[in-house]
Amino acid sequence: AQSVTQLGSHVSVSEGALVLLRCNYSSSVPPYLFWYVQYPNQGLQLLLKYTSAATLVKGINGFEAEFKKSETSFHLTKPSAHMSDAAEYFCAVRGAGFGNEKLTFGTGTRLTIIP
Amino acid sequence: GAGVSQTPSNKVTEKGKYVELRCDPISGHTALYWYRQSLGQGPEFLIYFQGTGAADDSGLPNDRFFAVRPEGSVSTLKIQRTERGDSAVYLCASSLTEDAGELFFGEGSRLTVL
Repeated sequence: AQSVTQLGSHVSVSEGALVLLRCNYSSSVPPYLFWYVQYPNQGLQLLLKYTSAATLVKGINGFEAEFKKSETSFHLTKPSAHMSDAAEYFCAVRGAGFGNEKLTFGTGTRLTIIP
Repeated sequence: GAGVSQTPSNKVTEKGKYVELRCDPISGHTALYWYRQSLGQGPEFLIYFQGTGAADDSGLPNDRFFAVRPEGSVSTLKIQRTERGDSAVYLCASSLTEDAGELFFGEGSRLTVL
């Protein structure tokens, strides 16, 4: 079974400051890990994914995440926050390979950007 | 547009009624997923189709919930004898059948059971 825990249901950062959204996973098999973003009144959109290649993954809109097996973490970062980054962010996990398509989401972190 | 389309966008019904929610996936996507998102929660897996067949229905909460995809394209989620606890946003996603393929989500159908 796989699960993810997102620490902090709400995070506020000033415009231009570092964004750090935390995600820890639990998986009985090698995991694939994902970050999705949900803007108001829109569908979830993939930001980036880890699939056992490079441990540092770069995504859209300047976001990146690092897979750390020793810490079972996949935290999302962005060096400089922009007002347009305000949204809800979801970490998700599934098992690697075919036959493990079920994606399990965390409870989400709402990111607020302070002007 | 060529995205995942879900109808209706909003549905208000009374307790005990029957409801159908429709999902039209991206053309050519053989994999289709249904999720449920309650207020303040992450999406909760319901069922996954590969083509016409349900490959994993382990997330369906009880036998009041049923989903079909008869021609391997459009899918319908059916809820019988609705309860107030069924109120949520029902999300549909589709993807290509490839390892770790990106899920493309629709905007969801908001169901309110009075």
